[in-house]
Amino acid sequence: DGGITQSPKYLFRKEGQNVTLSCEQNLNHDAMYWYRQDPGQGLRLIYYSQIVNDFQKGDIAEGYSVSREKKESFPLTVTSAQKNPTAFYLCASSIREGSNQPQHFGDGTRLSIL
Amino acid sequence: GENVEQHPSTLSVQEGDSAVIKCTYSDSASNYFPWYKQELGKRPQLIIDIRSNVGEKKDQRIAVTLNKTAKHFSLHITETQPEDSAVYFCAASKRRALIFQGAQKLVFGQGTRLTINP
Repeated sequence: DGGITQSPKYLFRKEGQNVTLSCEQNLNHDAMYWYRQDPGQGLRLIYYSQIVNDFQKGDIAEGYSVSREKKESFPLTVTSAQKNPTAFYLCASSIREGSNQPQHFGDGTRLSIL
Repeated sequence: GENVEQHPSTLSVQEGDSAVIKCTYSDSASNYFPWYKQELGKRPQLIIDIRSNVGEKKDQRIAVTLNKTAKHFSLHITETQPEDSAVYFCAASKRRALIFQGAQKLVFGQGTRLTINP
């Protein structure tokens, strides 16, 4: 069964701590994305990757970092520099080539501050 | 860059009535407009999308219309049912100029919380 898997579902961060959110897909999609969703707001793009070993900053990249060492995986690290990390984080993927294609989302990770 | 405005932020309709959600976009080069439905605590799910080469698309009780001149697009849900209650997001993006620049940046609206009253 193809899809996008995010883990963990819930995550708590202590002051000064870096935490990493996992995103894995078996859809054979080239492009992957990370979004942040705050209550009552839309999705804002943090980082995106078109292909392995390549990624670009989105609209709110400060305090976050990513890597794309494998096609299937696009982990997001929330660093201690992100002063307001409490949010719902969504990973998505899409087919890279051709005309605009739909983005498919994972179930999300809810991050909170301890 | 692209900016997408979505209205209304909340919408309450009686079961069986129709619901309409509207979005406007700023970048005339945008050519792809998906709509997502998000139930509480769950992932956004694509319900319908439209590309700029068509003005309307329908899928059972759901339809989307696009007015490129006015730069707005709308979601229409007919014969609403309780399970239609959710937050709906519109989005817009444009195809990259070069074929290898395939990753698209979707810009989302702020969302509309739709409540269907029995």
